[in-house]
Amino acid sequence: SYDLTQPPSVSVSPGQTASITCSGDELGNKYVCWYQQKPGQSPVLVIYQDTKRPSGMPERFSGSNSGNTATLTISGTQAMDEADYYCQAWDRSTALVLFGGGTKLTVL
Amino acid sequence: QVQLQESGPGLVKPSETLSLTCTVSGGSINRYCWSWIRQPPGKGLEWIGYIYPSGISTHNPSLQGRVTMSVDTSKNQFSLRLTSVTVADTAVYYCARVAELDYYYMDVWGKGTTATVSS
Repeated sequence: SYDLTQPPSVSVSPGQTASITCSGDELGNKYVCWYQQKPGQSPVLVIYQDTKRPSGMPERFSGSNSGNTATLTISGTQAMDEADYYCQAWDRSTALVLFGGGTKLTVL
Repeated sequence: QVQLQESGPGLVKPSETLSLTCTVSGGSINRYCWSWIRQPPGKGLEWIGYIYPSGISTHNPSLQGRVTMSVDTSKNQFSLRLTSVTVADTAVYYCARVAELDYYYMDVWGKGTTATVSS
């Protein structure tokens, strides 16, 4: 089976850059998106189609996807960015969707 | 703007069937595909499946054929049935809109409904 692997946790100081990775076999050949989920809330889309930001999403959120790794980067991290982040991949050949295990971002 | 609202019984007995409905408001159900996702307590997100407005659906193989999805376009609703539930099916269940199936990302989510499997 195909798996997406994320680090369980990432810590960052306010104002610094946070990078959250998502790894999977030939992930660069699939479309990846990212969701932010705060406690008690529904997930919110932050990046889609590897690199695109939804309307209204701050520019400090960016994404990339190449080789076996997709990366969500948050520049100038703010306290409000503290949340769980999930990557999600879409395999067109099988029409199946997979989530990564999630990464808890702590802003210290 | 489009809003989604899940509904269903909060408590289901083991071996019975969990039935949930998602009501779409502020837009037509006919223009998009729709998805179900769940999240067990303290755990990550799990994709359940998606359905076209035509009623054709695709499901997560890990759920071993226990899933049925349907659409009622006259009511702007789509539904999920999960049979033979166990305690492992206890979770918050979300419905979501698939913005573009070619890239599969979900841009609108419901608030979620908790389903507890217990005798």
